[in-house]
Amino acid sequence: GQQVMQIPQYQHVQEGEDFTTYCNSSTTLSNIQWYKQRPGGHPVFLIQLVKSGEVKKQKRLTFQFGEAKKNSSLHITATQTTDVGTYFCAGMAGGFKTIFGAGTRLFVKA
Amino acid sequence: AAGVIQSPRHLIKEKRETATLKCYPIPRHDTVYWYQQGPGQDPQFLISFYEKMQSDKGSIPDRFSAQQFSDYHSELNMSSLELGDSALYFCASSSGAGATFFGQGTRLTVV
Repeated sequence: GQQVMQIPQYQHVQEGEDFTTYCNSSTTLSNIQWYKQRPGGHPVFLIQLVKSGEVKKQKRLTFQFGEAKKNSSLHITATQTTDVGTYFCAGMAGGFKTIFGAGTRLFVKA
Repeated sequence: AAGVIQSPRHLIKEKRETATLKCYPIPRHDTVYWYQQGPGQDPQFLISFYEKMQSDKGSIPDRFSAQQFSDYHSELNMSSLELGDSALYFCASSSGAGATFFGQGTRLTVV
C-alpha cells in the first residue's frame, strides 16, 4: 500500500540554525500537505502543494514538491524557539485517504 | 472561524466497555476523517466519509465502527475496548481534496 516516509525522526538545532525535513512517497501523489503539531496539541495545517516542482514560502518556511510528485521538503530558515514541535507531511494519492509521514520532531535550543 | 469540534475532550473507560466519540466538521466541508494517534506516533488513518457515505477505510479494527449523520456530524463507536486503544483520536474535515483541518482530539484512556 501507499507509504510516506519522513526523515529525520528528530532534529536538535541551536536557535538561528536552519532546519529541513524530507518526505518521500512510494507512489505519485496528487497533493501533499504539511502540518505542525505542538506537544499536547493537534495537527495544524500549514500548506498544500499540488503542482509538480511547486515551491511555496511562508515567512521563514519554504516548501517544495518534487518534479515527480513523490517527494517534498520543508525548510525553516533561522529557527526560533516557537518553531518547536513535530512537522508532518501527509500525502494523498487518490481517493480520500491522506497518509501521514512519521513526523520530524524539532527541538530548538535557545 | 468555525473549527472542527470534538467531544468529549477526555474519556476514561474500562476494558471491554464501549465508547462513542463525536465530531462536528467545519460547515460545508464534505469529507470527514478519523485518525488515531498513539503516544509519540504519527496519526493513523482509520476511516473517512464523503457526503455521509463511507469513502475510505484504513487500519480500523472490526471492534470500531463509524458513521456520518444527515447533519454531517460523525461518530466513532468503539466496543470491547482494550488497553491498546488508549490514544488520541482526531477527527478532521476538508472540502474535497483541499486542506484538512483537525479537531483538538479526544484523549481516550482505557484502564
